[in-house]
Amino acid sequence: EDQVTQSPEALRLQEGESSSLNCSYTVSGLRGLFWYRQDPGKGPEFLFTLYSAGEEKEKERLKATLTKKESFLHITAPKPEDSATYLCAVQAQAGKSTFGDGTTLTVKP
Amino acid sequence: SQTIHQWPATLVQPVGSPLSLECTVEGTSNPNLYWYRQAAGRGLQLLFYSVGIGQISSEVPQNLSASRPQDRQFILSSKKLLLSDSGFYLCAWNRGRGNTIYFGEGSWLTVV
Repeated sequence: EDQVTQSPEALRLQEGESSSLNCSYTVSGLRGLFWYRQDPGKGPEFLFTLYSAGEEKEKERLKATLTKKESFLHITAPKPEDSATYLCAVQAQAGKSTFGDGTTLTVKP
Repeated sequence: SQTIHQWPATLVQPVGSPLSLECTVEGTSNPNLYWYRQAAGRGLQLLFYSVGIGQISSEVPQNLSASRPQDRQFILSSKKLLLSDSGFYLCAWNRGRGNTIYFGEGSWLTVV
């Protein structure tokens, strides 16, 4: 059975304090790994798709990386507006997507 | 560009009443369509998905049903709501296997 585990569950940072969120996965044939940002009471907003180990994607202060067992979402010099829940999902060759429970990031000014 | 709309955004319904949540996608044809439920502080649970008109697959046996009467319309229904049906419901779409899933804004359902 495909599994996605995100850690930590919650992360509190000071503005400007860089850190990383982890997404560990087991999947029967990875078709893609997805990162989303979700604000309270809203639907998830797509950030990145990674397809193969070694791939990296960047967007503003965020950078996502992928290995054969996990993905990291690196946040460089975060700002309060980066506060949100970040969700990771994997899609298997069979087409089914499995989501993690998310990491809730709070950035204090 | 493609957009996805779902409504209503918020719904308070008594136990035993019916439910209908609607979702439409614009700007694409023959999308895969999904209904997810999200419990507080948890990830997304896939409820139903559809690869075409009238084609519905159920992931979790429950008090809910889904229908796809038109190519870009997906409806989540219940004949009699239970308290346990309360939650945040998300409609989503993508172009097929391996493609990014895009979500609507969500619908908050409270069953009282």
